Amino acid sequence: DAGVIQSPRHEVTEMGQEVTLRCKPISGHDYLFWYRQTMMRGLELLIYFNNNVPIDDSGMPEDRFSAKMPNASFSTLKIQPSEPRDSAVYFCASSQTGVNQPQHFGDGTRLSIL
Amino acid sequence: QKEVEQNSGPLSVPEGAIASLNCTYSDRGSQSFFWYRQYSGKSPELIMSIYSNGDKEDGRFTAQLNKASQYVSLLIRDSQPSDSATYLCVLSGGSYIPTFGRGTSLIVHP
Repeated sequence: DAGVIQSPRHEVTEMGQEVTLRCKPISGHDYLFWYRQTMMRGLELLIYFNNNVPIDDSGMPEDRFSAKMPNASFSTLKIQPSEPRDSAVYFCASSQTGVNQPQHFGDGTRLSIL
Repeated sequence: QKEVEQNSGPLSVPEGAIASLNCTYSDRGSQSFFWYRQYSGKSPELIMSIYSNGDKEDGRFTAQLNKASQYVSLLIRDSQPSDSATYLCVLSGGSYIPTFGRGTSLIVHP
């Protein structure tokens, strides 16, 4: 079975550019999570969706970040404009039936903002 | 506010020994507890989940939960160099979003 698929795996761009990260959850999973991981702050939950609806976006750092889930098999996380402090590894994860259930992580996107 | 505390390590153990990883938490409402393993440069992968007090064993791994004392631990028996990774403690409960600890780095040396 295919796991959570993220693209791109690596992204290097200049400050001020728009960045779009993509995620395809495991089929049949109702919950989708976006995380950011840095050495300083560890793994932070940014936002999660249930059945394509954003439930909690309290972890989104500021208005430059936005996330959408137009259908059950696709989600995007956008940063506009990007800043060097946004450099991190961004993970997408999905779980089958609940926010308290085990999550399956994608391979992540390593983002570098120059 | 939920807090999950882990010793960052590194915890260094010889091959074949038992590695003991510990995690304490502040929210008594937490109901679900997970241990994830993360190799350097890779994504977290679930290795154990535990929901009730006591021990849960899966192969060389044993998770222990004590809700009264608010700690959860992971024991790895017969540690192998391939177990060298960062181990993340995660808790959640009710409608609470999952909270990840910062992780403990484990090094198993031959």
